[in-house]
Amino acid sequence: DSGVTQTPKHLITATGQRVTLRCSPRSGDLSVYWYQQSLDQGLQFLIQYYNGEERAKGNILERFSAQQFPDLHSELNLSSLELGDSALYFCASSAHRVGGTGANVLTFGAGSRLTVL
Amino acid sequence: AQKITQTQPGMFVQEKEAVTLDCTYDTSDPSYGLFWYKQPSSGEMIFLIYQGSYDQQNATEGRYSLNFQKARKSANLVISASQLGDSAMYFCAMREQPSGNTPLVFGKGTRLSVIA
Repeated sequence: DSGVTQTPKHLITATGQRVTLRCSPRSGDLSVYWYQQSLDQGLQFLIQYYNGEERAKGNILERFSAQQFPDLHSELNLSSLELGDSALYFCASSAHRVGGTGANVLTFGAGSRLTVL
Repeated sequence: AQKITQTQPGMFVQEKEAVTLDCTYDTSDPSYGLFWYKQPSSGEMIFLIYQGSYDQQNATEGRYSLNFQKARKSANLVISASQLGDSAMYFCAMREQPSGNTPLVFGKGTRLSVIA
């Protein structure tokens, strides 16, 4: 168990629908990152929150939005779903530090697999 | 802008042999970190090893080592004594200002298959 909790693990829905994915970071981690992994693709960065504030934005569609709540859990909202939105959505939080300069390592949750039919 | 390139979509290795997975990167920031993650078929992302741009020595973690060649902008992962459980996708990733809270940029990955 990585300490990063994502729900639901699997979700099947229809085109045009809206879903919400939830992430609870490791205890004490202030940063939450959302990534999308489509079939046989690398991870595409979507958005990052730090202590409730949006910190960085990647290739996130306008149909997608996210927020981080005061208890630091985060939600990723996906609306007007299309077939191409089918993917594995990962949440990660900044975890332990490694190396001489104390680099932050991202710890990932198990992912939420979204299937749009 | 940061960029990570993994040119090997798939690799095969015999059990107990060593294998090198290639990764090249591009950045204009002199301070950066390079990370390798493993993704087994179950889907989770597992952190393997880290190399900082200012680190003098190549990183090692058990059977994993990183062949860091700064001038060539490469950070290849070497897995020694391959095991069947090493079969997975392997992703190279980079972050500028690695001690901060910036996103990781990932390569497209290499699928490693270990053959008995």
